[in-house]
Amino acid sequence: AQSVAQPEDQVNVAEGNPLTVKCTYSVSGNPYLFWYVQYPNRGLQFLLKYITGDNLVKGSYGFEAEFNKSQTSFHLKKPSALVSDSALYFCAVRGAGGGNKLTFGTGTQLKVEL
Amino acid sequence: DGGITQSPKYLFRKEGQNVTLSCEQNLNHDAMYWYRQDPGQGLRLIYYSQIVNDFQKGDIAEGYSVSREKKESFPLTVTSAQKNPTAFYLCASSDRGASNYGYTFGSGTRLTVV
Repeated sequence: AQSVAQPEDQVNVAEGNPLTVKCTYSVSGNPYLFWYVQYPNRGLQFLLKYITGDNLVKGSYGFEAEFNKSQTSFHLKKPSALVSDSALYFCAVRGAGGGNKLTFGTGTQLKVEL
Repeated sequence: DGGITQSPKYLFRKEGQNVTLSCEQNLNHDAMYWYRQDPGQGLRLIYYSQIVNDFQKGDIAEGYSVSREKKESFPLTVTSAQKNPTAFYLCASSDRGASNYGYTFGSGTRLTVV
């Protein structure tokens, strides 16, 4: 079975500071990893994915994520947070042999304050 | 533009009433999914369909039903057997043949029992 853990329900950061939203996963075989963002009363929007290759993945809106196989982590990062980054962030994983079903974490609410 | 359309955006249900949520996609995706979102619980899979005329139960299928008569459409019926239907419902689709791709989500339907 595949699973995702997002250990923080909420992350608070000041605008201009770097941000990190944590994600760890468990899956058989090589993982396919994804980050999505959700604004209030909206669907999820794709941010970035790791399939293979470089461990540092760059995505939309200046976000990036680092794949760490030994720590089974895929933390989302941004060098300088904006108030407009405030939203709910979901990490998701799919195993190479797990068909097409994604397993989502419970989400982390990011709040960026002035 | 290709995408997924969910309707209505807001839906009110009386006790004991069945209601149907619409999900239509023009992405030519084989697979479609229904998720329920409650605060603090992330996304929970209700039903999914990998191909027309076939669908499988997810983790919380009780009180729900679906059909997949056309590739483009995957409606979800919330029956009177679902005792706590108030939630935000999200539909998604993916290309079944490309497991390194994530999901495309609709903008959601908020269902409230009155």
